[in-house]
Amino acid sequence: RKEVEQDPGPFNVPEGATVAFNCTYSNSASQSFFWYRQDCRKEPKLLMSVYSSGNEDGRFTAQLNRASQYISLLIRDSKLSDSATYLCVVTPNSGNTPLVFGKGTRLSVIA
Amino acid sequence: NAGVTQTPKFQVLKTGQSMTLQCAQDMNHEYMSWYRQDPGMGLRLIHYSVGAGITDQGEVPNGYNVSRSTTEDFPLRLLSAAPSQTSVYFCASSYSAAGGITDTQYFGPGTRLTVL
Repeated sequence: RKEVEQDPGPFNVPEGATVAFNCTYSNSASQSFFWYRQDCRKEPKLLMSVYSSGNEDGRFTAQLNRASQYISLLIRDSKLSDSATYLCVVTPNSGNTPLVFGKGTRLSVIA
Repeated sequence: NAGVTQTPKFQVLKTGQSMTLQCAQDMNHEYMSWYRQDPGMGLRLIHYSVGAGITDQGEVPNGYNVSRSTTEDFPLRLLSAAPSQTSVYFCASSYSAAGGITDTQYFGPGTRLTVL
């Protein structure tokens, strides 16, 4: 099983739709979780951290399920500008251990 | 702050040539890393450093060397370029590798390398 797995998509959704992505991770000792966004031919940028109790940032909601070892990202009221690749990122454990990136899920929001 | 800068933005090499991709950050970050990104493969870690004088191998280190003589700079050297090294290379930095849930990886804009 790969360390971090994501459905590559693409997810093609109309403007205004709600879309959700899941990401599973294999290391139960993983400490920190993030969602990054990457636009075409650009560098990845942090979208949001994922807290144990779940957290929301505007139209974006992130949740963590430690028992089932997955994190999720929910986007409400999708905008054309949300079109991007969303990368799930996990830190294997505390200390100087590199982050592990998923391969990303591609979202295309259509007018 | 300029953040993370990378040079060059584009480069074309012939097989067997060597070159150095430059990466610098002005945020006093201890942790720096190099990734390559290929279609369908996601980001793959090449080398990383947790501080000046300390480097370690990532997932795909073969064919690449790094050094970290200062906190600010983390150059990536291709020893003898091969077509398989055609890729987009990203440098990233953060306050620590995995110090806490608020740590953010800041990426440079990338170097697009083609090896003929």
